[in-house]
Amino acid sequence: AQKITQTQPGMFVQEKEAVTLDCTYDTSDPSYGLFWYKQPSSGEMIFLIYQGSYDQQNATEGRYSLNFQKARKSANLVISASQLGDSAMYFCAMREPLRRALTFGSGTRLQVQP
Amino acid sequence: ETGVTQTPRHLVMGMTNKKSLKCEQHLGHNAMYWYKQSAKKPLELMFVYSLEERVENNSVPSRFSPECPNSSHLFLHLHTLQPEDSALYLCASSPFFASQETQYFGPGTRLLVL
Repeated sequence: AQKITQTQPGMFVQEKEAVTLDCTYDTSDPSYGLFWYKQPSSGEMIFLIYQGSYDQQNATEGRYSLNFQKARKSANLVISASQLGDSAMYFCAMREPLRRALTFGSGTRLQVQP
Repeated sequence: ETGVTQTPRHLVMGMTNKKSLKCEQHLGHNAMYWYKQSAKKPLELMFVYSLEERVENNSVPSRFSPECPNSSHLFLHLHTLQPEDSALYLCASSPFFASQETQYFGPGTRLLVL
C-alpha cells in the first residue's frame, strides 16, 4: 500500500487565490512527522512546513498552512494568495521513527496563472 | 554560504566513465542522505550516513559507491552506469534521525548516462 498518496497530478490556480493540495498518508505508528516540500524546475527540494503527529494545532508558515486531520490521515497544504513564483511541483512526505528516510508522494504540479 | 551544496549541477557521462558527485552541508548536521529522483517516480532513498558511518543502504547496485569522509561532506562515486541511472540525484542533511527533524536538500545533480 502507498504510504503517501497525492491524488492531484496537476492543479491550476489564479494568482492571488488560495489553493489546497491534497495528501493522505498511511502509518500504524502513533509518532510521525509530515512535511511539504516545493520543487521548482531548477530541481532543489525546498522545505515548506512541518506537522508532528502530536501537534494539537495546524502548522502555519507565512502563506502556507497545513490542514491536519489525524483521524482521516490527511495533511493537506493550503497556499493562500498564490503568486506566480509558487508554480512548481509540491511533495508531501512522511517520516516514521523506525525509518531514517522520508517517504515521498508522487507530487502535484501547481501552475499559477496570471 | 547556502545550507547544502552539490556539484556538479549537471553531468553527462558514458557507460564506461567514472565520475563523482559531491555534497557539502554547512548546517552542522550529523546525518546525510543520497536520494534518486527518476522521471515519474517518487524520490527513492539510496544511502544514509550518520556521523560518517553508513547506516542504511537501500539495495543500491554496487556501481554506486558512497563515501562520507566527515560529517560535512558526502560523495557518490559512479562507475559503469546504465542509461536507466539517468536521474536527478539529491543530497540532504538533518540534525539526527528523529521523526520531527526536517531534512534539508541540496539543488541536485542532473545526471545523463549515454
